Amino acid sequence: GENVEQHPSTLSVQEGDSAVIKCTYSDSASNYFPWYKQELGKGPQLIIDIRSNVGEKKDQRIAVTLNKTAKHFSLHITETQPEDSAVYFCAATVSGYSTLTFGKGTMLLVSP
Amino acid sequence: DAGITQSPRHKVTETGTPVTLRCHQTENHRYMYWYRQDPGHGLRLIHYSYGVKDTDKGEVSDGYSVSRSKTEDFLLTLESATSSQTSVYFCAISGKEMNTEAFFGQGTRLTVV
Repeated sequence: GENVEQHPSTLSVQEGDSAVIKCTYSDSASNYFPWYKQELGKGPQLIIDIRSNVGEKKDQRIAVTLNKTAKHFSLHITETQPEDSAVYFCAATVSGYSTLTFGKGTMLLVSP
Repeated sequence: DAGITQSPRHKVTETGTPVTLRCHQTENHRYMYWYRQDPGHGLRLIHYSYGVKDTDKGEVSDGYSVSRSKTEDFLLTLESATSSQTSVYFCAISGKEMNTEAFFGQGTRLTVV
């Protein structure tokens, strides 16, 4: 089955800096890669996703890049703000398939 | 937030008792999922549903059963709760394709003592 590795497990940055979280996956058939943000006491919130037919997708301050050959994808957050502090999860699946496999999460702390 | 309501939000129960968690959606989405979240394990799929009365097992289904008698409701039952089932349980829904653009509920914190 699919295996998703996520790094780093914790990341501390200063407000205004950029943050990058990286994930690798094992199943070359995976074609859908979402990212979730989870704030304390809340459910995961879908913030951006990418399919394997594109290499990059942006939405304001966040972007995701995908390297199918190397089987890794990354979340980039620019101009970080304290409200970006949360746990971020990557995931991978073959769209339409039964299992969405999650990474173990990255705790991002943005200091003012 | 997507129209997902989980109930109860918190529950403490004793070992050996049955427990049912409810997920209710107002989005008319076809797919519904139950996950558990534990430190060091991330989110793991328990069971999922691809339609009324259509359900299947996920990665960690032992000790759990589910039912979906209506599109909007997906129930998770612990037949005889054990301490290893202490966890935070999340319901999720998706409409277009299984597992794509999935939206999560707020979670149920279950403690088995």
